[in-house]
Amino acid sequence: AQSVTQPDIHITVSEGASLELRCNYSYGATPYLFWYVQSPGQGLQLLLKYFSGDTLVQGIKGFEAEFKRSQSSFNLRKPSVHWSDAAEYFCAVGPGVSLDSNYQLIWGAGTKLIIKP
Amino acid sequence: DAGVTQSPTHLIKTRGQQVTLRCSPKSGHDTVSWYQQALGQGPQFIFQYYEEEERQRGNFPDRFSGHQFPNYSSELNVNALLLGDSALYLCASSSPGTGFFYGYTFGSGTRLTVV
Repeated sequence: AQSVTQPDIHITVSEGASLELRCNYSYGATPYLFWYVQSPGQGLQLLLKYFSGDTLVQGIKGFEAEFKRSQSSFNLRKPSVHWSDAAEYFCAVGPGVSLDSNYQLIWGAGTKLIIKP
Repeated sequence: DAGVTQSPTHLIKTRGQQVTLRCSPKSGHDTVSWYQQALGQGPQFIFQYYEEEERQRGNFPDRFSGHQFPNYSSELNVNALLLGDSALYLCASSSPGTGFFYGYTFGSGTRLTVV
């Protein structure tokens, strides 16, 4: 079955500290992978995506993610968090090739990031 | 450049009633998808519209229906509302023919509360 697991419901990090949010997926084919961020009362904003090629991808707001096929993981990282990074982060996967006209994204349950001053 | 616009932002309905949510996609986008996000959960795919037709449907009952208009805007209709339909309903649009390959643009959502 296709699924996305974000093991951490909440993560608390001090401002200026590094961050890593975990994402593991189960997918039958080579997936496309995404990280989105959702601030309170807001929609979802795309942080970064991985389709192919270099397994370390850079996104907006200083975020990066690394695709590890052997571990079925796509963890999100940031070297130094800012108070404005407090939000909920969602990992999502979709089919790399829509052979079966599958256009939907499968989402994790999200990780809420709390920043300590 | 206007992004995805959803209306209304908040809505309270009574069990058994019907509701219509609206979405205007980002300029230049022709594909609209709807997602339901329950509290504390990730979004769940409801359906996607392209060229005024439902292209794909998630695991939602027939009480959930939609429509896409020639200007690419879309409506989500939910009949016979249940308490469990309370959620944030998100609309996402994408550019011609690319599906989600370049990432969807999401609206801020409609918060539906069923009492």
